[in-house]
Amino acid sequence: EVQLVESGGGLIQPGRSLRLSCAASGFTFYDYAMYWVRQAPGKGLEWVSGISWNSDSTGYADSVKGRFTISRDNSKNSLYLQMNSLRTEDTAFYYCAKAAGANWYGTGVYNWFDPWGPGTLVTVSS
Amino acid sequence: QTVVTQEPSLTVSPGGTVTLTCASSTGAVTSGSYPNWLQQKPGQAPRALIYSTSNKYSWTPARFSGSLLGGKAALTVSGVQPEDEADYYCLLYYGGGQVWVFGGGTKLTVL
Repeated sequence: EVQLVESGGGLIQPGRSLRLSCAASGFTFYDYAMYWVRQAPGKGLEWVSGISWNSDSTGYADSVKGRFTISRDNSKNSLYLQMNSLRTEDTAFYYCAKAAGANWYGTGVYNWFDPWGPGTLVTVSS
Repeated sequence: QTVVTQEPSLTVSPGGTVTLTCASSTGAVTSGSYPNWLQQKPGQAPRALIYSTSNKYSWTPARFSGSLLGGKAALTVSGVQPEDEADYYCLLYYGGGQVWVFGGGTKLTVL
C-alpha cells in the first residue's frame, strides 16, 4: 500500500525557518515526481511546489518562490520542503502527494496528485 | 496572477444530477491544462477523482464524469448520493508559467 506521512510542522515565529519531511513507502519512490500542497485552515488548496524523480526539475508557486526549496533523497525515500522567511500567511496544513509519473509538470496523458499524506500543520505566529 | 474559478457552493437532491465547472482567467480550459478533480471531506486529505479532463481512477464511482464544457472543465455527478457531500477542487496546469493552480473549491451539499 502506498503511504505518505508528513512531519516537521509546528509553531514557528515569523521570519524563521522550518523544514518539512515526507516519508514514502509502498512504491518505488525514485520513479516518481512529488508535490507539496498546502491548505490554510478553513480555506482552499494551494499548490506549493513539485520536483521531478531525479531532482533535475522543480517548480514553485509565486507565493513561495525564493523562500521555499523542495528537495528529495531517493536513498531515504523522503521528500523535503525547506521553508525560509516564514510569514503568517504561510500558516497551513502542508500535504505531500505523489505524481503519476517521473515529471511534476503537465505532460502526456497521466498527470495526477494521488495519494496524499494526512498533512502536517505549520503555524506561523509571534 | 492566474485565477481558477469554481462555484463556491451548490446544492443537489439525492438522486439528482449536478455539474460543477472550472474556469480559467486566461481563457478557455483545454485538455492541455490537464484538468484534475479532487474530492475532500471534512477532516480528511483530498482524494483524486478525475485526471486529464475525463479519466477515472479505479476507485472513482461511475456516477462521476469529467468533460470540457463551454470553455470550462466540468465535473458531473449523476445520481448523487449522500456520501458525495464534500468539497470539490479542480486543478489546472499552466505551461507558460510552469505552475499548477487549484480552483477555490465548490462545497457540494446533498439535501
